Amino acid sequence: QVQLVESGGGVVQPGRSLRLSCVASGFSFRTYGMHWVRQAPGKGLEWVAIVHYDGTKKYYADSVKGRFTISRDTSSNTLYLQMSDLRAEDTALYYCARDLYGNWFDSWGQGTLVTVSS
Amino acid sequence: EIVLTQSPATLSLSPGERATLSCRASQSVGSLLAWYQQRPGQAPRLLIHDASNRATGVPARFSGSGSGTDFTLTISSLEPEDFAVYYCQQRSNWPPYTFGQGTKLEIK
Repeated sequence: QVQLVESGGGVVQPGRSLRLSCVASGFSFRTYGMHWVRQAPGKGLEWVAIVHYDGTKKYYADSVKGRFTISRDTSSNTLYLQMSDLRAEDTALYYCARDLYGNWFDSWGQGTLVTVSS
Repeated sequence: EIVLTQSPATLSLSPGERATLSCRASQSVGSLLAWYQQRPGQAPRLLIHDASNRATGVPARFSGSGSGTDFTLTISSLEPEDFAVYYCQQRSNWPPYTFGQGTKLEIK
């Protein structure tokens, strides 16, 4: 079955960087686009970024554009989110999610928590 | 950016009752709307995509309808495990993909 396992979260000071990982299994990773979606504590869902199946196209939410970079490594079935210049408002549970038809999020990991605090 | 507004914010019902949740878009999204369920402490789960198509493994008591700007998620007879938060999401005009603020379905 589809499995997505995130890691890399933690407590980080404002302005610092962090890299999240998501290891995928149970499906052909190379044929699916992948997303990061985040959820601030007690709040709703916010889409962060998408990378197309072949890694050639990437899109970002305005709130993270220029600070976050999404990437993928097909050889290790791993999705990444490089986050820099972190702000308090980036504090959230970060989920990776598989893309369905370029439109929807059909499988989700359990998330990794990022806390930005001095 | 398309804004999705869900109503009500909280819906209190009993098991066995029918639930009707609404999602309104600030401009037409055609049929490019999905619904997700999020139980406490869990990741979201895709229920409905393209306004009315149930995702794999989703029980038939869940149904979606609507097009343009007004959408509805209906749960025909509530089971105990259905009490959760529900989000709608659009991809008509992207990026960004946007979500509604959620409707909490609680036990009365």
